[in-house]
This record gives sequence, C-alpha cells and structure tokens, in this order.
Amino acid sequence: EIVLTQSPDFQSVTPKEKVTITCRASQSIGRSLHWYQQKPNQPPKLLIKYASQSISGVPSRFSGSGSGTDFTLTISSLEAEDAAVYYCHQTTSLPLTFGGGTKVEIK
Amino acid sequence: EEQLVESGGGLVKPGGSLRLSCAASGFIFSSFSMNWVRQAPGKGLEWVSSINSGSTSIYYPDSMRGRFTVSRDNAKNSLYLQMNSLTVDDTAMYYCARDPTAGVANYFDLWGQGVLVTVSS
Repeated sequence: EIVLTQSPDFQSVTPKEKVTITCRASQSIGRSLHWYQQKPNQPPKLLIKYASQSISGVPSRFSGSGSGTDFTLTISSLEAEDAAVYYCHQTTSLPLTFGGGTKVEIK
Repeated sequence: EEQLVESGGGLVKPGGSLRLSCAASGFIFSSFSMNWVRQAPGKGLEWVSSINSGSTSIYYPDSMRGRFTVSRDNAKNSLYLQMNSLTVDDTAMYYCARDPTAGVANYFDLWGQGVLVTVSS
C-alpha cells in the first residue's frame, strides 16, 4: 500500500500569505497525485489533477507541482474562503489512498 | 446540473447490514466508473470501492473485501453499496464519487453530499 504523508497537519495563515502543503509518497507514483479541498460539512472538491493540471472553475491561486514521491500544493495568496482541509490522493496503484489532510485556518 | 445523491444511511446495530444507494443525474452515468469513499467523524478520507462503467472490474481494499459489495444499475443511473457484518469502525459519512473515465483508479471529479452510517448498539 502506498502511504501518503502530508505536512504540516495544521497551518494558521494570514490572508494574502502564501501557503505551501506537501505530500510525500512512500514509493514513486509518477504524477498520479491529486489534491482536494474539503470545507466543513461539505464533500471534497477536486482542486488539482495529475500533480499540476488545473481544474476548470478552480481559482488560479491554487497550483500543484512535483513528481515521483514529493508533491506540493500552493495557494499563492490565501483568501478567507480557503479555510478548509486539503487532501492529496494517489491513483497509481490499488488500494487508492489519501493523505491524512492539512487543515488551513485563517488568522 | 451533474449531481450525485446518496441515500440509505442510518443507525444499525453491530453485526447488521445496510444498503446504500447513489442516484446520478445530469450526465451519462453508464460512461463513468464510480467509487465509494468514507470519512469517519473527525477523520480523513478512506477509499471503499471502485466499479468500472460496465461492472466488469470491481475493487476493494483488503479491509472491506468480503463484507462490502458494490454494484450498479446503468438503466437506473444508480450505484449501490451493500454492507454486511458492520462494526462500530464502519461508522462514517459515505460518499459516492465519479471517476471521469470508464476505467478505474483515477481522480474523483464529482462527489455526492454523503450519507451518514452509524453503527452502535
């Protein structure tokens, strides 16, 4: 099973600051890594697919990078509406797995 | 509007069974693989099962194989999850989620609002 380790677990950030969340895979997964945003009492929402591919309707301040075992989700300028938990997800091999999540709080 | 709506959740005793349903609308259901993902209260996301568009490929994590059975009825635009021998550890919000391809093991581009399953005596 491929284990995804996210860091940090929690981040408290001031609006307009840059946010960086990392996801490390226990073995190489190429670029089959996707990012989701989950706000309270809502289902997850797809933000980034295949490490860096943008999703229609997602603000351009969200971007992804990485390949192999190390991946990054970046929010270039945090807005209040970005308060959420962010999850990475690998689809290279079964079982499909998710990272433990990173909670982003607005200061 | 593309939409997934889960139903069938509720309170069940340990050892009991429950069948969840997911009704799809606004897209050609038979063209997409579908998945179940669950989230225990206050916890992260856990993949439960995947089924391809034609029901010829079905997958579960080892922890759920033998207890959970996923199926679909393309004529009714519906996805199902039969859950047997439930334990308190199965207490979670269960989401159905669409894979944007006919195969499996891709990202999930559309999610339902979820249905709560509570296993308690």
